Amino acid sequence: KAGVTQTPRYLIKTRGQQVTLSCSPISGHRSVSWYQQTPGQGLQFLFEYFSETQRNKGNFPGRFSGRQFSNSRSEMNVSTLELGDSALYLCASSSSTGTSYTDTQYFGPGTRLTVL
Amino acid sequence: AQSVSQHNHHVILSEAASLELGCNYSYGGTVNLFWYVQYPGQHLQLLLKYFSGDPLVKGIKGFEAEFIKSKFSFNLRKPSVQWSDTAEYFCAVKGNTNAGKSTFGDGTTLTVKP
Repeated sequence: KAGVTQTPRYLIKTRGQQVTLSCSPISGHRSVSWYQQTPGQGLQFLFEYFSETQRNKGNFPGRFSGRQFSNSRSEMNVSTLELGDSALYLCASSSSTGTSYTDTQYFGPGTRLTVL
Repeated sequence: AQSVSQHNHHVILSEAASLELGCNYSYGGTVNLFWYVQYPGQHLQLLLKYFSGDPLVKGIKGFEAEFIKSKFSFNLRKPSVQWSDTAEYFCAVKGNTNAGKSTFGDGTTLTVKP
């Protein structure tokens, strides 16, 4: 099976702009989670989607949003970018059934976002 | 709330030395535990995982970890490291009722000298 893919791999934006990142999960996986990785804060959970519904959310401002499509592909959007949003954004998919959470998350290569 | 603490920020070893990376977690219920590795320039890869059963779990590349419930620990071990093990290692916990959310430790950078 192909792994988790993320596009684009690199992005450069300026403050105030907005950005959309895309994630395609492993075939058959219905759960997609997003994480932000920075040198100072490490890996921080943003949100998780399952069957097009947000099922869990981390402690990020409302500028960070996401959605999931019927084919399980997911996008996350960051509006009004700030310098501190520069990070590696990771997507992870799992075969969660929706009733049990004993599943393993598999990570994509990430999108490196630089905000100038 | 779930949290993870990794004891060592940076570990430097010579090839053939033994490795143990500490990980302690906090969570008030049943947990799933993971160790991930991130090689330079590569994405996070799963090393091993613990869901239930035998507390000693074996993963890829000769790594193993032991879940000690009474100590809330899940330490990673390898008897003899190689230069190619140079990477960053992350311990993660996911509560059994916490959908899609893994909480990661700050990571341990392992440098293996040839």
